[in-house]
Amino acid sequence: AQRVTQPEKLLSVFKGAPVELKCNYSYSGSPELFWYVQYSRQRLQLLLRHISRESIKGFTADLNKGETSFHLKKPFAQEEDSAMYYCALRGQTGANNLFFGTGTRLTVIP
Amino acid sequence: GAVVSQHPSRVICKSGTSVKIECRSLDFQATTMFWYRQFPKQSLMLMATSNEGSKATYEQGVEKDKFLINHASLTLSTLTVTSAHPEDSSFYICSAALPAAALQYFGPGTRLTVL
Repeated sequence: AQRVTQPEKLLSVFKGAPVELKCNYSYSGSPELFWYVQYSRQRLQLLLRHISRESIKGFTADLNKGETSFHLKKPFAQEEDSAMYYCALRGQTGANNLFFGTGTRLTVIP
Repeated sequence: GAVVSQHPSRVICKSGTSVKIECRSLDFQATTMFWYRQFPKQSLMLMATSNEGSKATYEQGVEKDKFLINHASLTLSTLTVTSAHPEDSSFYICSAALPAAALQYFGPGTRLTVL
């Protein structure tokens, strides 16, 4: 069975400081990992996916199969990064359903 | 970009009544739509996967007779909460996926309050 763990419910960092939101997963096959973000009063939206290997809004995430992790990182946090972040896994081939972690609320302190 | 709408955004109903929530993909055809439930300060829990023209696939623990899902067209899926009870009060979110794509686009959600 698939499982996504985000150990931190709340994370606060100062503006300009590095930020890392942790995500670990459990899946027997080859998963696809995503990070979704939900800004205040807005809908959930895709931030990035591991197969794209791109940086979005300064965020990056590398899939580490050895550690079964997909941590989200940004070297210099901005106030507008304050939001709820969800790590998600898509497992079964041919199915599009996502399994979400419990989310981490990031607060960037000015 | 792909836009998904939900209607209504908020609904309050009496216990025992049924409530229908609509999910529409506005500018694309979605062969698959998903329904999630989100409790306060908790994550999204997948309730069911809805494929156009076929029966929905429900996740374990979700009562299919209570949460009726209809995906009548490529742009519309509906979730009907039947005989609603206060414990059904929650935030219901739908998403739609482009054909053969892994990306889901989320609706803004519907806040259901059952009195």
